[in-house]
Amino acid sequence: GESVGLHLPTLSVQEGDNSIINCAYSNSASDYFIWYKQESGKGPQFIIDIRSNMDKRQGQRVTVLLNKTVKHLSLQIAATQPGDSAVYFCAEGRFMDTGRRALTFGSGTRLQVQP
Amino acid sequence: GAVVSQHPSWVICKSGTSVKIECRSLDFQATTMFWYRQFPKQSLMLMATSNEGSKATYEQGVEKDKFLINHASLTLSTLTVTSAHPEDSSFYICSARPSGAGDLPFGPGTRLTVL
Repeated sequence: GESVGLHLPTLSVQEGDNSIINCAYSNSASDYFIWYKQESGKGPQFIIDIRSNMDKRQGQRVTVLLNKTVKHLSLQIAATQPGDSAVYFCAEGRFMDTGRRALTFGSGTRLQVQP
Repeated sequence: GAVVSQHPSWVICKSGTSVKIECRSLDFQATTMFWYRQFPKQSLMLMATSNEGSKATYEQGVEKDKFLINHASLTLSTLTVTSAHPEDSSFYICSARPSGAGDLPFGPGTRLTVL
């Protein structure tokens, strides 16, 4: 079936470096993507989202890139800090009959920031 | 911002008993809420969509008679794990979306341990 997956399960970076977390999706009809951060024992925290009519969107220290040609999504974190250490999930949003979106999550990448 | 809460944060129960988990939207109304389950070191899997005033929609492979969902009001959805078994031990997370918002806030999760 359709799925959303990640290339790298674990990413280790030095504090201050930029981080890039990748995600591949298989549903070409997907039109909405979200990146979440999840710290241990907590619920996912929204980071940034992007719609399929865009190929780039920037937030505070984060940038999401969408390449629909190869069905690839990436999250870039600038000047990575120890507080960025967490598991990051990409998710695909799909509309339900109610008009609301449910999310299909990728397998997650653990980001470890070394001091 | 939109906040979703869950209660309890964690629960330990004996095998064969039932456990109820509450999901509340604190500062907005939600006609639709979503229930996810997350096993250790795995991604979030959508279990069901909770619809206020109507029956929940379950994902394939999720037993509706085992995971009872009640969406009695616009701010509360409950998930009852009936006749819980050790394999039901997991992290249960709900989410809801305020009307018109791009974010999809998640609750903090409920850790269920079945002995």
